[in-house]
Amino acid sequence: GQQVMQIPQYQHVQEGEDFTTYCNSSTTLSNIQWYKQRPGGHPVFLIQLVKSGEVKKQKRLTFQFGEAKKNSSLHITATQTTDVGTYFCAGKEAGGFKTIFGAGTRLFVKA
Amino acid sequence: GAVVSQHPSWVICKSGTSVKIECRSLDFQATTMFWYRQFPKQSLMLMATSNEGSKATYEQGVEKDKFLINHASLTLSTLTVTSAHPEDSSFYICSAREGGDYSNQPQHFGDGTRLSIL
Repeated sequence: GQQVMQIPQYQHVQEGEDFTTYCNSSTTLSNIQWYKQRPGGHPVFLIQLVKSGEVKKQKRLTFQFGEAKKNSSLHITATQTTDVGTYFCAGKEAGGFKTIFGAGTRLFVKA
Repeated sequence: GAVVSQHPSWVICKSGTSVKIECRSLDFQATTMFWYRQFPKQSLMLMATSNEGSKATYEQGVEKDKFLINHASLTLSTLTVTSAHPEDSSFYICSAREGGDYSNQPQHFGDGTRLSIL
């Protein structure tokens, strides 16, 4: 069945450094969504990408959807302590209805 | 924004007790609701998907007689953990989404319920 793999599992950065998490699907996706879960909180929807090669930005966050619609990335420029949390990607298989979450990347930011 | 209310937020009960968790969409119609289980520092494990007025679809390995799901209205779904045992202790999170199976709408999550079975 469809699998969504996310790397790295966790990353420690110094405040001000950049951070990237990668998401890879075993099958072609119709869309990919990104969520953020703060420690002790619940996942919160960040963005959805639908088009091949799509790039979207939210302030310091840049989201990309691969040309083949099988991978995606989230890049944070100049991390801040408020970026701490776990970032999940969630992909829906093309032609399917199930959304599969990646295992998440836990980001630690040291001030 | 879309708000999902989940309660109780914390439950401690004796082994053998049945526990009901409610998930409500407050300002939108949740055609589809999802129930997840999350272990410490781990990802979300989908337990079941429910569409309003239909029987829930359970993921492989999830006992439907153990985890009863009811989605009787467009704003409310409940998860009942029947005859709970210590191994059922976990963090349960619901999410709700507008639109049915093929919807591309995002999921909106509740705050979760931490269940501890003694």
